Amino acid sequence: DGGITQSPKYLFRKEGQNVTLSCEQNLNHDAMYWYRQDPGQGLRLIYYSQIVNDFQKGDIAEGYSVSREKKESFPLTVTSAQKNPTAFYLCASKTGQGEQPQHFGDGTRLSIL
Amino acid sequence: QQQVKQSPQSLIVQKGGIPIINCAYENTAFDYFPWYQQFPGKGPALLIAIRPDVSEKKEGRFTISFNKSAKQFSLHIMDSQPGDSATYFCAASKGNQGGKLIFGQGTELSVKP
Repeated sequence: DGGITQSPKYLFRKEGQNVTLSCEQNLNHDAMYWYRQDPGQGLRLIYYSQIVNDFQKGDIAEGYSVSREKKESFPLTVTSAQKNPTAFYLCASKTGQGEQPQHFGDGTRLSIL
Repeated sequence: QQQVKQSPQSLIVQKGGIPIINCAYENTAFDYFPWYQQFPGKGPALLIAIRPDVSEKKEGRFTISFNKSAKQFSLHIMDSQPGDSATYFCAASKGNQGGKLIFGQGTELSVKP
């Protein structure tokens, strides 16, 4: 079945540590996105990528980094510069052209030890 | 101007009732308005979407009403069921913005048996 796989489902980070969240899709979608979800808030865009080897900052990129070396993969690194990283992180993808829906993975919940 | 404002924050209805969730936007350049449904611990899933040249769209028990002049759109759920209990998000995007979605804050719906 085609879809988006995020791993791990739960992740714990120590103070001062960088952690990387995985996002893999087998939908052959060109564009991929990372969102952060906090309780009682909508999803906020962290980074997005429309093609391989290219990505743009979203609304809350500070303290995060991404790479897009393969079409299928868009990992997100939460760096130690992100002072409030506890959240639910969602990855999405869509086919590149026109108004097509974004398909979401089932998220990674990151907590601080 | 980039915001999408969603109300109410939470909603409780009896089975068979018609919950209505409202969203408002400022940016008249938005041209795609999807609604997403999210269950706990899962990623959002596209429910229904509308473009501003259409005033109403129905898919099964779900209807979007769109008022372009008022810059408002709403989701109606006919004959609501306990299985509809979830968080609902409206969103908006502009066609030339790489598919970036601006999400509302979400509405937590509970349908009582």
